[in-house]
Amino acid sequence: GAVVSQHPSRVICKSGTSVKIECRSLDFQATTMFWYRQFPKKSLMLMATSNEGSKATYEQGVEKDKFLINHASLTLSTLTVTSAHPEDSSFYICSARELSPDSPLHFGNGTRLTVT
Amino acid sequence: AQSVTQLDSQVPVFEEAPVELRCNYSSSVSVYLFWYVQYPNQGLQLLLKYLSGSTLVKGINGFEAEFNKSQTSFHLRKPSVHISDTAEYFCAVFLRAAGNKLTFGGGTRVLVKP
Repeated sequence: GAVVSQHPSRVICKSGTSVKIECRSLDFQATTMFWYRQFPKKSLMLMATSNEGSKATYEQGVEKDKFLINHASLTLSTLTVTSAHPEDSSFYICSARELSPDSPLHFGNGTRLTVT
Repeated sequence: AQSVTQLDSQVPVFEEAPVELRCNYSSSVSVYLFWYVQYPNQGLQLLLKYLSGSTLVKGINGFEAEFNKSQTSFHLRKPSVHISDTAEYFCAVFLRAAGNKLTFGGGTRVLVKP
């Protein structure tokens, strides 16, 4: 089945630094990828929709200058958390859909970000 | 706007007992419905989906769900749970008119006790 690989699985960084998270669709092409954030014991909150070859679409309340998204190819999207702060600590999950509009989302295994 | 409500935040259940997780959605148009499972510190895995056709959908790991249009529900069931079914379960709604976004319910934590 379709696989989405997310890297790294865990990262610890210091306040003020930037962290890049990669999301790859391994055996299918995805023109659209989605980035979610999950707080402890909470549901997934959609942060942004990543569109290959164009600018990402951010949800209301998500700072686009803080969470930079790049979708340079049909198999790779990256999320960069810039100038990280402890409140950015969270579980970030990416997902991708195959080109067929009826296909379900396939999720990566998530990235646990801890900002100290 | 669409929304998804999972009525139970936590469901304790004994091993080999049946379990039902409730999901209701609000939408005035046709939607696609999904159930995902999340194990600790992992991403989400698709359990099953309803796109059209038969209202009873069978998924992986012995789970099934029934789409009820009149009640706008998509409850998930398993007749006999295992310890390994302990996880977080999310109901989700996909509406193409809403920018191809998937909206998640708040999640239901299933705790299977021996």
